[in-house]
Amino acid sequence: DAGITQSPRHKVTETGTPVTLRCHQTENHRYMYWYRQDPGHGLRLIHYSYGVKDTDKGEVSDGYSVSRSKTEDFLLTLESATSSQTSVYFCAISELGKDQPQHFGDGTRLSIL
Amino acid sequence: TQLLEQSPQFLSIQEGENLTVYCNSSSVFSSLQWYRQEPGEGPVLLVTVVTGGEVKKLKRLTFQFGDARKDSSLHITAAQTGDTGLYLCAGAMGTYKYIFGTGTRLKVLA
Repeated sequence: DAGITQSPRHKVTETGTPVTLRCHQTENHRYMYWYRQDPGHGLRLIHYSYGVKDTDKGEVSDGYSVSRSKTEDFLLTLESATSSQTSVYFCAISELGKDQPQHFGDGTRLSIL
Repeated sequence: TQLLEQSPQFLSIQEGENLTVYCNSSSVFSSLQWYRQEPGEGPVLLVTVVTGGEVKKLKRLTFQFGDARKDSSLHITAAQTGDTGLYLCAGAMGTYKYIFGTGTRLKVLA
């Protein structure tokens, strides 16, 4: 299995609080991604990174920010969590090159009350 | 917004039956990947198809990429209970960005 660790695995918090999810990889892969998974929507890309300090928005980036200060860590922050951000969040990594597979972490289940 | 639609959304079949899952878009993709996801885990890659018309086989699973590279299908022969899971297709938008389909949840009954 690809060395990807997501933390925390589960979190319950209240509307309006800040939340940070962490993705840590030991594979030295260049690309890292944050997705959210909701019933009927599959996986939707929030943000992605193509190198240290190089990030870009995905299709559902509103309300989220990211940072990548080291190759191995990619942080996803909800500055002021809303109930619509209740979801399962997945981090993925992939190597440089065309058609490279994405390797996923086991997800973080986030509930915002 | 690019969309990848999968059908059917849900499928419940008996062990030994055959099934086909479809992944359709109006966009052209440079490649397409199929993943399977089990509860509480992240998706795991099954196959990547790259060339229009390409067919790949993985034991009882057959994957086909449409000639125009806008659609794909996954056919499972003689389904087993171990095939139960969520199947996701993902189309490549450029070199490192993917759009995922809406998913097909398969349940194979013993």
